[in-house]
Amino acid sequence: DAEITQSPRHKITETGRQVTLACHQTWNHNNMFWYRQDLGHGLRLIHYSYGVHDTNKGEVSDGYSVSRSNTEDPPLTLESAASSQTSVYFCASSEGRGFANEKLFFGSGTQLSVL
Amino acid sequence: GQQVMQIPQYQHVQEGEDFTTYCNSSTTLSNIQWYKQRPGGHPVFLIQLVKSGEVKKQKRLTFQFGEAKKNSSLHITATQTTDVGTYFCAGPGSNTGKLIFGQGTTLQVKP
Repeated sequence: DAEITQSPRHKITETGRQVTLACHQTWNHNNMFWYRQDLGHGLRLIHYSYGVHDTNKGEVSDGYSVSRSNTEDPPLTLESAASSQTSVYFCASSEGRGFANEKLFFGSGTQLSVL
Repeated sequence: GQQVMQIPQYQHVQEGEDFTTYCNSSTTLSNIQWYKQRPGGHPVFLIQLVKSGEVKKQKRLTFQFGEAKKNSSLHITATQTTDVGTYFCAGPGSNTGKLIFGQGTTLQVKP
């Protein structure tokens, strides 16, 4: 079955380190999204991509970057991890034919702790 | 900027009681989506509403889209322990087209 997977499931890192979170989808979806989830804030968009080599900043993009060299894998990188980036990170995808009207498929998430 | 607000933030009910969560947008929405996230899980799409005044049902869940397309509600009849989780509404941003999520309503059901 097609799916979207994230790794690692849990990650602990130190302040100042570079961290990369992986996401892999097998639906061949064009649109990919990275969200962070924090108590009281719901899901906030970090970066999004409409296709290969396309990346765009979302609502809370400072300190994050995304690359999209292929359809399946848009890794999220924290350039220099900060304690404020302790969060649960979700990767999501949508088919890409009518962006705002499409449902999102979410990965299982990565719990990141920055100490 | 555009906001999508949900109330209440938390709700505790006894099993068998009804539950409602409300979603309000500061701007008119072309559509609204609802997602459910089980504890420790990820958001899963439930439904999308598009038309003004639209009502859709999924078993014990009833979804409504307001006439002005600025608000929506999710009502669960006779809650069960399997209904536990956080329910999110989401609508497209008027300027960006990207989905803006509400903060979610977390439902706990006492058996």
